[in-house]
Amino acid sequence: GENVEQHPSTLSVQEGDSAVIKCTYSDSASNYFPWYKQELGKGPQLIIDIRSNVGEKKDQRIAVTLNKTAKHFSLHITETQPEDSAVYFCAAAISNFGNEKLTFGTGTRLTIIP
Amino acid sequence: NAGVTQTPKFQVLKTGQSMTLQCAQDMNHEYMSWYRQDPGMGLRLIHYSVGAGITDQGEVPNGYNVSRSTTEDFPLRLLSAAPSQTSVYFCASSYSGTGGHEKLFFGSGTQLSVL
Repeated sequence: GENVEQHPSTLSVQEGDSAVIKCTYSDSASNYFPWYKQELGKGPQLIIDIRSNVGEKKDQRIAVTLNKTAKHFSLHITETQPEDSAVYFCAAAISNFGNEKLTFGTGTRLTIIP
Repeated sequence: NAGVTQTPKFQVLKTGQSMTLQCAQDMNHEYMSWYRQDPGMGLRLIHYSVGAGITDQGEVPNGYNVSRSTTEDFPLRLLSAAPSQTSVYFCASSYSGTGGHEKLFFGSGTQLSVL
């Protein structure tokens, strides 16, 4: 089955700096890669996703890049703010139009230092 | 809209006890699933359902049962609780409007401790 590795497990950055979280996946058939943000005491929330036919996707301060050849994808957060502090999970799936099962990474705890 | 509602938020069980974690969604999503979250292990899929009357196993199904009699509800049953089932449990739902069931909406979780 699919295996997703996520690094680093913890990350601290100064407010205003950029943060990068990296994930690798094992199954070359995977074609859907979402990122979820989990705030303390809450469930994960989808923040951005990318499909394998796209190399990069941006949404304001958040961007995701995908390298299919190397089987890795990354989350980039620019101009970080205190509210970006959370646990971030990457995931991978074979988009099968009805039977997708996401495989999640182990999470990155991001702390923004004021 | 309430979204995905999980009850209870916290539960303490003794080894061998049984209980049901409740999950309800009001978004008319056909897909529902249960995950457990353990430190250093991310989110692991327990069971999922693609519609009423249809369920299937995920990555870690042992010790858990599910049923899906309505679109709205997807309860998770622990038949005989074990300390290894101490975890935070999340219910999630999604729809196929985008062509698949990838975009998950999560509940706020149930923290379960088995002593």
